[in-house]
Amino acid sequence: EDQVTQSPEALRLQEGESSSLNCSYTVSGLRGLFWYRQDPGKGPEFLFTLYSAGEEKEKERLKATLTKKESFLHITAPKPEDSATYLCAVRPISSGSARQLTFGSGTQLTVLP
Amino acid sequence: ETGVTQTPRHLVMGMTNKKSLKCEQHLGHNAMYWYKQSAKKPLELMFVYNFKEQTENNSVPSRFSPECPNSSHLFLHLHTLQPEDSALYLCASSQVLGDTQYFGPGTRLTVL
Repeated sequence: EDQVTQSPEALRLQEGESSSLNCSYTVSGLRGLFWYRQDPGKGPEFLFTLYSAGEEKEKERLKATLTKKESFLHITAPKPEDSATYLCAVRPISSGSARQLTFGSGTQLTVLP
Repeated sequence: ETGVTQTPRHLVMGMTNKKSLKCEQHLGHNAMYWYKQSAKKPLELMFVYNFKEQTENNSVPSRFSPECPNSSHLFLHLHTLQPEDSALYLCASSQVLGDTQYFGPGTRLTVL
């Protein structure tokens, strides 16, 4: 069964304190890994898609990386406005669910001023 | 309007009521999705439509009834819901099935 585990569940950082969020996945084959940001009471906002091990993508203070078993979302010198829940999702290669995403439970990030 | 819109944003209903959630995407996408998001739980996929044809129904109770009249609009009809159905209901769309999904702001549903 496809599984996505995100850690930690919650993370509190001081402004400027860099850190990483982890997304571990177990799938029979990976078509893509997606990162989203979700603010309270709002829908997830798309950040990145990664397709193969070794791939990296950056956007402002965020950098996403991918290995064969996990993905990291690195946050460099975060600001309070980076506070949100970060969701990871995988699209597996498997008949019957080749087009479905499996989501993790998310990491709730709080950046203190 | 741009992106994916959902109405209403908040809904309170009794267990015997009938209501509908509406989703509209302005992205020219061909696939649309309904998700349920409960506190501290991963997003749960409910229904998938591709070119307005339903392709997935993830064992959702019949008190939830989807409708997709065209590729831009998606509805979720609700009737005789239970308190445990209270959640954030999210609509998403993608250019093709399996592609990057773009979400609407959600409808916060409370069942009394």
